[in-house]
Amino acid sequence: GEDVEQSLFLSVREGDSSVINCTYTDSSSTYLYWYKQEPGAGLQLLTYIFSNMDMKQDQRLTVLLNKKDKHLSLRIADTQTGDSAIYFCAEGSDTGRRALTFGSGTRLQVQP
Amino acid sequence: DAMVIQNPRYQVTQFGKPVTLSCSQTLNHNVMYWYQQKSSQAPKLLFHYYDKDFNNEADTPDNFQSRRPNTSFCFLDIRSPGLGDAAMYLCATSRDSSSNEQFFGPGTRLTVL
Repeated sequence: GEDVEQSLFLSVREGDSSVINCTYTDSSSTYLYWYKQEPGAGLQLLTYIFSNMDMKQDQRLTVLLNKKDKHLSLRIADTQTGDSAIYFCAEGSDTGRRALTFGSGTRLQVQP
Repeated sequence: DAMVIQNPRYQVTQFGKPVTLSCSQTLNHNVMYWYQQKSSQAPKLLFHYYDKDFNNEADTPDNFQSRRPNTSFCFLDIRSPGLGDAAMYLCATSRDSSSNEQFFGPGTRLTVL
């Protein structure tokens, strides 16, 4: 079955870089997503990457994909206190079941 | 702005008392999803609609039902809420069956007393 794993917690200082890691098991994954959830709010799509890409950069965000190891990471440069939230990794496929499978989320705490 | 709207944002119900959560979208998306998210857990898909075609996840309890009267609206009905059904309920949409990108509403937090 599909499984997406993330570490539970990450603490960084303001201005440092944050790296949030994710592993997945479904080799048919076509898209991999990063969502951000602030307290009491819904999920906000941050960025996504196609499975045939190695890297995607979008302003302060860099996504790295190692398809061989099924490892995905999200790097946030110059982390700000407003980046404090839970970050969910999710995978989706173009075939079969099209719903997303989410990890349990990584809580990012940014200390001033 | 095109968006996904959920009402109410907070819902309190009593044990066993039916409750309905609503979702509407102005994106004109074909697909709508309902997720359940318990504290510190991943969102878990309950069911989804491709247009009017209803798709239930195998492990979604019978206590949960859904209706989609038109493209814009989708409802989640919990027939007899239990204490274990207290959670955040997230509605999401995607453009069509070929699109994985999902747009989420702010969620409804359900409390069961």
